Parts: sequence; structure tokens; C-alpha cells
Amino acid sequence: QSALTQPASVSGSPGQSITISCTGTSSDVGGYNFVSWYQQHPGKTPKLLIYDVSYRPSGVSNRFSGSKSGNTASLTVSGVQAEDEADYYCSSYASSGTWVFGGGTNLAVL
Amino acid sequence: QVQLQQSGPGLVKPSQTLSLTCAISGDSVSRNGAAWHWIRQSPSRGLEWLGRTYYRSKWYNEYGVSVKSRVRINPDTSKNQFSLQLSSVTPEDTAVYYCSRALGGSGLGDWGQGTLVTVSS
Repeated sequence: QSALTQPASVSGSPGQSITISCTGTSSDVGGYNFVSWYQQHPGKTPKLLIYDVSYRPSGVSNRFSGSKSGNTASLTVSGVQAEDEADYYCSSYASSGTWVFGGGTNLAVL
Repeated sequence: QVQLQQSGPGLVKPSQTLSLTCAISGDSVSRNGAAWHWIRQSPSRGLEWLGRTYYRSKWYNEYGVSVKSRVRINPDTSKNQFSLQLSSVTPEDTAVYYCSRALGGSGLGDWGQGTLVTVSS
């Protein structure tokens, strides 16, 4: 299966809101409510931000939220902070019991 | 709190088999509701899901399409760990390899420390 499509980069000033899109197909994003989002700082392991489209694990800031419409999932970061500068990846369950990741989006805080 | 500790060689020769182990503490590899994944990351391929193993009254394994013919993920209940074997490796398999746990839904909430594996002669 193909990787999910994310923009290579997004940017925002502190306090602004930004949204990262993750586009798949009806065989992955559009077909299941099993989309998750990860944050990765350089040299670190990925950190789970959102699971099952819109649920936040305990301890994750409520500035992070997830949603889905059709074959596109979205991650919104409200009130962007300098510490949010990182790479963000989406992932989705796909058919036949497999999982697929997006190519990643670099968030730059201006 | 679960901890995942990875071990295995950092250098593998082309055509050989890459083998990594992920030791689990704070949970059981055979717990219903948990799934145990392997993922890799390289600059050229980004994050790539390799496969998972999980127990739901019996063991299940599922593998990524790109590696399906070469990969095996095996649980070891006696040592409470699971392993990754990737055969016939090439330099394209050079990556940081991670083990991870998913509870219930889609999120990989716990990760091993990552192992850089270089395929080179």
C-alpha cells in the first residue's frame, strides 16, 4: 500500500493555530476510524498525540486535536508554541490487517 | 508503566538476516488487548510499518506489504519478549528499527529506544 500524503512542511507563529492534513484512500483513512498522529523531535522516538482519529492519551496537551473527513485526516495544533517545532506523522489502519504511515510534516515555529 | 528494551546487532552484511529482540517489562506479550509492533525509519523511506504480533486466544501475525516475503515477528512467552527477523537484507534496509506497543485502538503509545541497523559489507 502507498504511504499517506502529508505536506512536507507547515509553519506558524507562536499563538497561531495550524493544521496538518493526511490524505489516504477509502482503503485506509476513509475506511476505518483508526488514524493516529505522532510527534517526533530530532533524535527522539515518536510520541503518540492522537489515536482513533480524535482521542488524546493521558498527558497530551489539549492544544492537539484530531479529526477526519472522508479520506483526509487532520491534526490541529492550537496556540502553537516553540516546543511544538518537530516532525509530525499520521498513521492509519489499512485493509488486510496492515498499517501505513504518512511521509511526515515538519512544523516550523516562526 | 511498560518498558521496551531493544537488543541486536547494529551491523548486518548484505544477504544475511537482520535479527532484533524487544524485551518487555511492565506488561505481558500474551496479554489480550495489546499488540506488539515493529517499525523502521530511514531518511529515504520515512516511517515504515513492518508488522505486528498479538494474542487473542491464539497468536496472530500481520506484516507490511513491502517486506511480507522477508519478515517474521515471533513472540517468546518464556522470556516475555518478541523478535523481528528480516531476511535477505540489502543496503536499502538500513534504518532505525523500533519496537512498539499498541493498547486497544490505533495508537502506538510505547516505543523502544530504537536500534540503528546498517547493512554493509
